[in-house]
Amino acid sequence: EVQLVESGGGLVQPGGSLRLSCVASGFTVSSNYMSWVRQAPGKGLEWVSVIYSGGSTYYADSVTGRFTISRDNSKNTLYLQMNSLRAEDTAVYYCARDLVTMVRGLPAHYYMDVCGKGTTVTVSS
Amino acid sequence: SYELTQPPSVSVSPGQTARITCSGDALPKKYAYWYQQKSGQAPVLVIYEDSKRPSGIPERFSGSSSGTMATLTISGAQVEDEADYYCYSTDSSGNHRGVFGGGTKLTVL
Repeated sequence: EVQLVESGGGLVQPGGSLRLSCVASGFTVSSNYMSWVRQAPGKGLEWVSVIYSGGSTYYADSVTGRFTISRDNSKNTLYLQMNSLRAEDTAVYYCARDLVTMVRGLPAHYYMDVCGKGTTVTVSS
Repeated sequence: SYELTQPPSVSVSPGQTARITCSGDALPKKYAYWYQQKSGQAPVLVIYEDSKRPSGIPERFSGSSSGTMATLTISGAQVEDEADYYCYSTDSSGNHRGVFGGGTKLTVL
């Protein structure tokens, strides 16, 4: 069974750092695209970051330069290192396994196929 | 940056057909995906590549796309379908980013 379990959320002061972890079971993280998505209280879903199976990484403008996505293949775990946190980063953070849509033999889209239950990050003094 | 636009809310009575739209300039060239999120739960994929349904999703859920608009249709909506629905696609500018619509609250009562 495919399962994702996030951890590492908590209360942090503005300017602080947190590292979120996402332990996967039932599949291999390094063989898949993996994403982080967040949801601020009472708001919609916001895409945050993706790491491709080949290792390329991409970020939303709102987190570029502050957040880093990575993985540990030996632990089958995805991470999100969050630095210089702001109040507007307060959200539930979901990790997700992505599937890839191929068009004419090339990857054209990736999309979440399975999500974890999320971990809550609160940035406040 | 690329945007997907959804109506904030849609309301239907049980058994009626609910249609939720998602508009985006790149949708003629890009697939749309749809997620259902019930209160306090993680999102669940209900439609992928415009019109395909993952295993385990009821047949009353269907999707279509024409021009700059994608549509999620729930035929014979049930009370348990009440949820927020989000469309999703990937950015058309080649920056490899995902994009969600603002979400639509479906009320079935």
